[in-house]
Amino acid sequence: DAGVIQSPRHEVTEMGQEVTLRCKPISGHDYLFWYRQTMMRGLELLIYFNNNVPIDDSGMPEDRFSAKMPNASFSTLKIQPSEPRDSAVYFCASRTGFGELFFGEGSRLTVL
Amino acid sequence: SQQGEEDPQALSIQEGENATMNCSYKTSINNLQWYRQNSGRGLVHLILIRSNEREKHSGRLRVTLDTSKKSSSLLITASRAADTASYFCALTGQAGTALIFGKGTTLSVSS
Repeated sequence: DAGVIQSPRHEVTEMGQEVTLRCKPISGHDYLFWYRQTMMRGLELLIYFNNNVPIDDSGMPEDRFSAKMPNASFSTLKIQPSEPRDSAVYFCASRTGFGELFFGEGSRLTVL
Repeated sequence: SQQGEEDPQALSIQEGENATMNCSYKTSINNLQWYRQNSGRGLVHLILIRSNEREKHSGRLRVTLDTSKKSSSLLITASRAADTASYFCALTGQAGTALIFGKGTTLSVSS
């Protein structure tokens, strides 16, 4: 398997623009997680899905953030409108049951 | 909070020395996991220890878990320069809730 695939790897955008980050989990995994990593706040859980259903989105910072998982092989995290404080590395991860998480390489977002 | 807290925040050692990192937490857990992150990369799973286990080994890694003290430790023996990375503990709650990560320990191994 190719592992968890995220795109884009790098995104530079201007404040106010819409940003869409994409994730393809490992086939057969029933959990998908979105994390955000910054120097100040560390690795924060934003939202996670089980069998495509959002289970806990309490980590989503504001209504500007939304996430979807239309099917078992694809998820998106959208920020609209983006702000400079959203600059971070966004990770997608997937797993089966309560086991180990497999992380993608991350999407580094810079909002100017 | 389900978040684990690693200690120390930073650790610098020489090649060949052992490195010990600790993780403390406050809630009941299903399992505790350790991950490594090299600079600019995603996290990589190292080892998982279940709440009914006390010790696990994997190569040069040894993990212990003390549920009465709500703490875990990761020992890397005979460290190498390639072990330089950040190390995180993550908790899965008893209800199987999501992994919450601590802020990590940054390990520097110099040759």
